[in-house]
Amino acid sequence: DTEVTQTPKHLVMGMTNKKSLKCEQHMGHRAMYWYKQKAKKPPELMFVYSYEKLSINESVPSRFSPECPNSSLLNLHLHALQPEDSALYLCASSQGTGSNGYTFGSGTRLTVV
Amino acid sequence: GEDVEQSLFLSVREGDSSVINCTYTDSSSTYLYWYKQEPGAGLQLLTYIFSNMDMKQDQRLTVLLNKKDKHLSLRIADTQTGDSAIYFCAERLNQAGTALIFGKGTTLSVSS
Repeated sequence: DTEVTQTPKHLVMGMTNKKSLKCEQHMGHRAMYWYKQKAKKPPELMFVYSYEKLSINESVPSRFSPECPNSSLLNLHLHALQPEDSALYLCASSQGTGSNGYTFGSGTRLTVV
Repeated sequence: GEDVEQSLFLSVREGDSSVINCTYTDSSSTYLYWYKQEPGAGLQLLTYIFSNMDMKQDQRLTVLLNKKDKHLSLRIADTQTGDSAIYFCAERLNQAGTALIFGKGTTLSVSS
């Protein structure tokens, strides 16, 4: 298995809802990432998990809450989002040493209404 | 701060070569990458180059790295309409752990 799987592919949620995005990989990668991408813009780093521990939080608002239950899973819990949070959320994983080990999922397209 | 710069648009005719340029900021970057993103899709790794290399060729793709000028380029030979996409260069910054930092992306438009 050489893929990063993200679910759901599309999500529409209201500003008072609570939802979660899920990401899974079975490549034995020990680093996992959340990126946010607005239309026609580059992906922006949100969080980095290394060996299941949060190593980087790029000043992301607390309405986004990451969780790494085990080395294969990465979640992003969403609560009280704003319409400007609508974007493509990309999960990635890597072996943690650079080289060609970065693999991206196809993303969850989130719309906040 | 870190900034990876790319020209925003490139338009070529089918069969021509395309050259997409990128400048990066961190001279200690060990790996530099090119990703392709088609409309509505995720990111596809095209190729990467290690910082001790000057050039890497992979089928129709040629990557050139000028470390002195911190300049990276991607040449696509015999460009096809299926190559139309946004191309991002990315560097791995040591101070960002192992995370990738992306350039703004170059939109390649290929006309037949």
